[in-house]
Amino acid sequence: KAGVTQTPRYLIKTRGQQVTLSCSPISGHRSVSWYQQTPGQGLQFLFEYFSETQRNKGNFPGRFSGRQFSNSRSEMNVSTLELGDSALYLCASSSRTGVGYYEQYFGPGTRLTVT
Amino acid sequence: QKEVEQNSGPLSVPEGAIASLNCTYSDRGSQSFFWYRQYSGKSPELIMFIYSNGDKEDGRFTAQLNKASQYVSLLIRDSQPSDSATYLCAVNGANDYKLSFGAGTTVTVRA
Repeated sequence: KAGVTQTPRYLIKTRGQQVTLSCSPISGHRSVSWYQQTPGQGLQFLFEYFSETQRNKGNFPGRFSGRQFSNSRSEMNVSTLELGDSALYLCASSSRTGVGYYEQYFGPGTRLTVT
Repeated sequence: QKEVEQNSGPLSVPEGAIASLNCTYSDRGSQSFFWYRQYSGKSPELIMFIYSNGDKEDGRFTAQLNKASQYVSLLIRDSQPSDSATYLCAVNGANDYKLSFGAGTTVTVRA
């Protein structure tokens, strides 16, 4: 079974621009989560989607948004990019549908550099 | 207090030794606990999960959970150079659709 895929793998953007990242979950997985990883803050939760609905949101500004499509694929968008948004953005999928016991499998990530 | 805390590293062990990694969490209602391995420049890889108190063994890895003490650990037996990586502890809260991660412990296995 293919794993989680993310595109693009690398991205360089300029401050003030916006960016859209894409994630395709493992086949059959309906939950998709997004995380930001930086050397200083570690892995931080952005949001989680299930059946096109956002069920959980982390403590990030409104510039960070996401959505999920009917085929479970997900996108996240960051508007008005700041230097501090430079990070590895990770998507994870899970076959679990309820709270607890939430095994997640990560994609390879998108390395975003903001200059 | 951070939600998930791991013992500070880096941890250096000789080849063939046991590497012991520790993690504590603050949400007493947490239900599931995970260990991820992350090689430099790569994404986290799920290597162990544990839901019940006690030990769970998978090959050279053993996860231990003590919910009363809010403590979870990972033992790596017969450590190999390929085990050199950062190990992340993750916890799923009682009412969360998310994982909270510790800062990670970097393990180096010396040949």
